[in-house]
Amino acid sequence: EVQLVESGGGLVQPGGSLRLSCAASGFTISGYSMNWFRQAPGKGLEWISYIGISSSTIYYADSVKGRFTISRDNARNSLYLQMNSLRDEDTAVYYCARGRDDYGHRYYFDYWGQGTLVTVSS
Amino acid sequence: SYELTQPPSVSVSPGQTASITCSGDKLGDRYASWYQQKAGQSPVLVIYQDTKRPSGIPERFSGSNSGNTATLTISGTQAMDEADYYCQAWDSSTYVVFGGGTKLTVL
Repeated sequence: EVQLVESGGGLVQPGGSLRLSCAASGFTISGYSMNWFRQAPGKGLEWISYIGISSSTIYYADSVKGRFTISRDNARNSLYLQMNSLRDEDTAVYYCARGRDDYGHRYYFDYWGQGTLVTVSS
Repeated sequence: SYELTQPPSVSVSPGQTASITCSGDKLGDRYASWYQQKAGQSPVLVIYQDTKRPSGIPERFSGSNSGNTATLTISGTQAMDEADYYCQAWDSSTYVVFGGGTKLTVL
């Protein structure tokens, strides 16, 4: 059974840092691209970052570019999101998801984790 | 930047057909995917590449995409289908784009 389990969320002050992890089971992430999303309270879904199979291709949404860093450890079957310079507006549930097909118009997300809550507040 | 527009809410009676639209400039030239998110849960893929249904998704879920509009259709809607639904497409500038979501109420 494919599972994605996020961890590392919590309460952090504005300007602080946090590192999220996404542990995969039931498949090996080395064969898939991976993504991070977030959902602010009562709001819709927002894609924030993509990492290709070899980590050579990485994309970020403008809202997090320069502050967040996505990475993967295929040996640990895990995905990570380092979040720096956090702002109030980064408060959200953060999800990881597996990507399918070539990155482009055919791309979609077939499995999502349960999410981890990040609260940025003083 | 590319934008997708969904109606905020759709209501349907049990057993009837629900249609949720997603509008975007020449959306029919792209692929649309749809995700279901029940209250307090993570999103679930219900339709990908316009019309394809993942394994485990009931046949009552179907999709279409033409012109400027993609449509998620739920035939014989059940109470368990009550959820938020998000359409998604890909754009070369902003990459992954989601619609604002549609709350489906079954009453």
